[in-house]
Amino acid sequence: EIVLTQSPGTLSLSPGERATLSCRASQSVSSTYLAWYQQKPGQAPRLLIYDAFNRATGIPDRFSGSRSGTDFTLTISGVEPEDFAVYYCQQYDSSPLWTFGQGTKVEIK
Amino acid sequence: EVQLVESGGGLVQPGRSLRLSCTGSGFVFGDHSVSWVRQAPGKGLEWVGFIKSRPYGGTPDYAASVKGRLTISRDDSTSTAYLQVNSLKTEDTAVYYCARHTEKRFDSWGQGTLVTVSS
Repeated sequence: EIVLTQSPGTLSLSPGERATLSCRASQSVSSTYLAWYQQKPGQAPRLLIYDAFNRATGIPDRFSGSRSGTDFTLTISGVEPEDFAVYYCQQYDSSPLWTFGQGTKVEIK
Repeated sequence: EVQLVESGGGLVQPGRSLRLSCTGSGFVFGDHSVSWVRQAPGKGLEWVGFIKSRPYGGTPDYAASVKGRLTISRDDSTSTAYLQVNSLKTEDTAVYYCARHTEKRFDSWGQGTLVTVSS
């Protein structure tokens, strides 16, 4: 079973700062099957990035995804007030089919 | 507009069963697989199972942690997917979301329905 470990647990930033969120897989993951989701309090998750690099429909270009080996990164180039939320990475594998990381909370400093 | 709406949550006693519904609109429901994801209070997201679209067999699969207690089905004529949870435990208390698949990603989610298991 592939385990996704996200870091940091909490990221405290001021609006306008750059956010770098990490998601490390315990073994090789296909880029095709790595996604990032944003969840605000009381709301459902929203797809941000899929296939490690591609922005979902309507997602601003300040959000970007990258990969280095088993390390995946979500970057927010300049955090806006509406970006304060919890972010989850997700991968698809053979079994269990989909797993999520434990989440990174981006909070206002 | 693509929309998914869950229903059927509520307070249920341990050991009982519950069936949740997920109704889609704004797209061809039958063309998409549907997953169920749950979130315990204050916790992260846990994928519990999915059902393939009819062109891919329409069969379900489940996470090992819940296999044997969950049954996922679909009725494309009413654009609805179902999640039945049997032998409910207190640790099944969570918001249950359904999500539409496009390829392997979950590109649209319902607002969730809260299931509380308590005596």
